Amino acid sequence: RKEVEQDPGPFNVPEGATVAFNCTYSNSASQSFFWYRQDCRKEPKLLMSVYSSGNEDGRFTAQLNRASQYISLLIRDSKLSDSATYLCVVNAISKLIFGAGTRLAVHP
Amino acid sequence: NAGVMQNPRHLVRRRGQEARLRCSPVKGHSHVYWYRQLPEEGLKFMVYLQKENIIDESGMPKERFSAEFPKEGPSILRIQQVVRGDSAAYFCASSPEIGQSSYNEQFFGPGTRLTVL
Repeated sequence: RKEVEQDPGPFNVPEGATVAFNCTYSNSASQSFFWYRQDCRKEPKLLMSVYSSGNEDGRFTAQLNRASQYISLLIRDSKLSDSATYLCVVNAISKLIFGAGTRLAVHP
Repeated sequence: NAGVMQNPRHLVRRRGQEARLRCSPVKGHSHVYWYRQLPEEGLKFMVYLQKENIIDESGMPKERFSAEFPKEGPSILRIQQVVRGDSAAYFCASSPEIGQSSYNEQFFGPGTRLTVL
């Protein structure tokens, strides 16, 4: 079983749609959690950290359920510029464990 | 405000040659991490270094690969006798000291794309 699992997609959605990504992780000792965004052939960039209480940053909402070892990302009012691969990332004793990513394509 | 810098951005080597990838962390960061991304796959942790010390090399292949982060100068990822399967994007990241703000966050460089012919 992979340490961090994500649905690879692709998710093809129209502008303005709401889309949700899910992720599960296997190491219950994981300490911190993130969503990164990676554009084609570029480096990953931090989108947001994920906290147990849930957190929101504009159109983006992240949730963490430690009991279920489940992380989610919700994107509201999708923009064309949101098209990218979204990486679920878990910090386990200083090293980051990446999921394989979920591809999102937003079309006009 | 320079971020993580990596060079070269693209590197082409023939089988059997050596590849040297360099990474300069964010100014003031003393923790460096190397990750490898194979085509169509996610990033995989390779090694975690602090100045002059290897902290965790559990993701590094046992042979042909080595990494260092000297007291002065950039971190170096060295691959000896490259093979076609080494073709990948190699990303370096750095983080600040524990206790500083954002200490959990790793800042990534633009990567070095290695192609082995």
